[in-house]
Amino acid sequence: QVQLVQSGAEVKKPGASVKVSCKASGYTFTGYYMHWVRQAPGQGLEWMGRINPNSGGTNYAQKFQGRVTMTRDTSISTAYMELSRLRSDDTAVYYCARDHEDLGYCIWWGQGTLVTVSS
Amino acid sequence: EIVMTQSPATLSVSPGERATLSCRASQSVSSNLAWYQQKPGQAPRLLIYGASTRATGIPARFSGSGSGTEFTLTISSLQSEDFAVYYCQQYNNWPPLTFGPGTKVDIK
Repeated sequence: QVQLVQSGAEVKKPGASVKVSCKASGYTFTGYYMHWVRQAPGQGLEWMGRINPNSGGTNYAQKFQGRVTMTRDTSISTAYMELSRLRSDDTAVYYCARDHEDLGYCIWWGQGTLVTVSS
Repeated sequence: EIVMTQSPATLSVSPGERATLSCRASQSVSSNLAWYQQKPGQAPRLLIYGASTRATGIPARFSGSGSGTEFTLTISSLQSEDFAVYYCQQYNNWPPLTFGPGTKVDIK
């Protein structure tokens, strides 16, 4: 069965960077795009971008351009999302989610990783 | 960027009653619209894609309709496990993928 297992919670200071991992299993990792979506406390869902695990190609939301980097390691079926120059309003749960047939909606989601930015 | 809006923000419904949730897109998204359910502390769960197709394992009491800019999610008879937040998401014109702000369905 498809599983996406994310790394654990992080606490970071403003200005630092965070790198969240998402280990995939139960399917061919390189066959499906991986999206990253975040959710601030009590707020809605916000798309950050996606990566093509086969080519490494990425698309980022304009809001995060220059601060986000999505990468992957196909040898261990893991996708990564790194966000730099963290601010307090980056405090959120970050989810990875597997695209369905490259259409843009997601059946499979990771459990989420809470990133807290606080001085 | 396509802006998604949802109404109402909160819907209070008694168990067994029908719930109707609305989603509107700022421009046509054809039928490329998905609905997700999210419970506290959990990841979103896909309910509907293609505006009206239920995802695998989703009960028949959930139904979606609409096309273009106006969409509806109907829960025919609310069960206790259906009290949650519901998000719509367009995937017609992206990036970026965009979500609505959500509708919270709570117990009346």
